[in-house]
Amino acid sequence: GENVEQHPSTLSVQEGDSAVIKCTYSDSASNYFPWYKQELGKRPQLIIDIRSNVGEKKDQRIAVTLNKTAKHFSLHITETQPEDSAVYFCAATTSYGKLTFGQGTILTVHP
Amino acid sequence: EAQVTQNPRYLITVTGKKLTVTCSQNMNHEYMSWYRQDPGLGLRQIYYSMNVEVTDKGDVPEGYKVSRKEKRNFPLILESPSPNQTSLYFCASSPQGIYSPLHFGNGTRLTVT
Repeated sequence: GENVEQHPSTLSVQEGDSAVIKCTYSDSASNYFPWYKQELGKRPQLIIDIRSNVGEKKDQRIAVTLNKTAKHFSLHITETQPEDSAVYFCAATTSYGKLTFGQGTILTVHP
Repeated sequence: EAQVTQNPRYLITVTGKKLTVTCSQNMNHEYMSWYRQDPGLGLRQIYYSMNVEVTDKGDVPEGYKVSRKEKRNFPLILESPSPNQTSLYFCASSPQGIYSPLHFGNGTRLTVT
């Protein structure tokens, strides 16, 4: 089955800096890669996603890039703010129903 | 208000005592799924359902059962809970499988002693 590795497990940045979280996947047939954000004590929420036929996608301060050859994808957050502090999960899927998540990254943005 | 409702929010039980965690959504979503969240392991999919009467195993189905008799409900059943099933459980739904945003419930924190 699919295996998704996420790094780093924790990331600490100063407000205004950029943050990058990387994920690798094992199944070359994976075709959809969402990112979820989970604030402390809350439920996960989708923040951005990308399909395998696209190399990059942006939404204001966040962007995701996909390298299918290397089987990795990354989340980029620019101009970080304290409210970006949360746990971020990447995920990958090859089928309509099965979704495999990474281990999560705890992002802390210091004011 | 569109939502996914899980009950209970917190549950403490003993090894071997059957329990059910309920999940209900009011958005007429076809797809529903269950995840468990453990520190350092992320979210792991237990079971999912593409529609009524259609269920499939996720990555960690052992020790769990589900049913989808009607569209809005997707209960998670632990026939004989064990301590290694102590975890935070999330139910989620979406209109079109995992290719559309998952709407998560508030979570159920289960402790098995």
